[in-house]
Amino acid sequence: DVKVTQSSRYLVKRTGEKVFLECVQDMDHENMFWYRQDPGLGLRLIYFSYDVKMKEKGDIPEGYSVSREKKERFSLILESASTNQTSMYLCASSQRVGRGQPQHFGDGTRLSIL
Amino acid sequence: GENVEQHPSTLSVQEGDSAVIKCTYSDSASNYFPWYKQELGKRPQLIIDIRSNVGEKKDQRIAVTLNKTAKHFSLHITETQPEDSAVYFCAASTGGFKTIFGAGTRLFVKA
Repeated sequence: DVKVTQSSRYLVKRTGEKVFLECVQDMDHENMFWYRQDPGLGLRLIYFSYDVKMKEKGDIPEGYSVSREKKERFSLILESASTNQTSMYLCASSQRVGRGQPQHFGDGTRLSIL
Repeated sequence: GENVEQHPSTLSVQEGDSAVIKCTYSDSASNYFPWYKQELGKRPQLIIDIRSNVGEKKDQRIAVTLNKTAKHFSLHITETQPEDSAVYFCAASTGGFKTIFGAGTRLFVKA
């Protein structure tokens, strides 16, 4: 069974801090994703990566960056945290696309920026 | 841009009744349509998916239908049980990297 592990379930940070959210998957998946989940807005894609050191912007990349130095690990970075980045962050992974593949999600990190 | 509209946003049914959630997608190149269930405090999990070469797919009490012409797809849950209470997300993908998710439907099943 695919395991996607996010480093923290809950995180509280202060405005202006640099915040790192870590995600690790154990199924050798090529693709990894970061979403934020807000009530009534569903899942919105921040960034994704289809290979080591490769990254692509999603729909809401402003204020975020990512890093993928190893295949199994995908990090989301809030360069200078702001209160409007308070949200639930979900990491996901999937096999290389071709015919569409289901995504496997982590448990999420609920981030509060004070 | 591409989007997926999902209705209703909230659905309340009596235990044993059926529940139907509907989604509409905009990108006619979409060919893969997964449905995810997210229980309170838990991760979204795939419950069923359908590809564009199929019109209907069933898995026990869950079924999904796809109308490519109208760009509609729906989730049907029969004989609902309290453990079906959750948020359900539909999604559409062209087989590329991006999957577009609906806003979610919160389903309440009353015992």
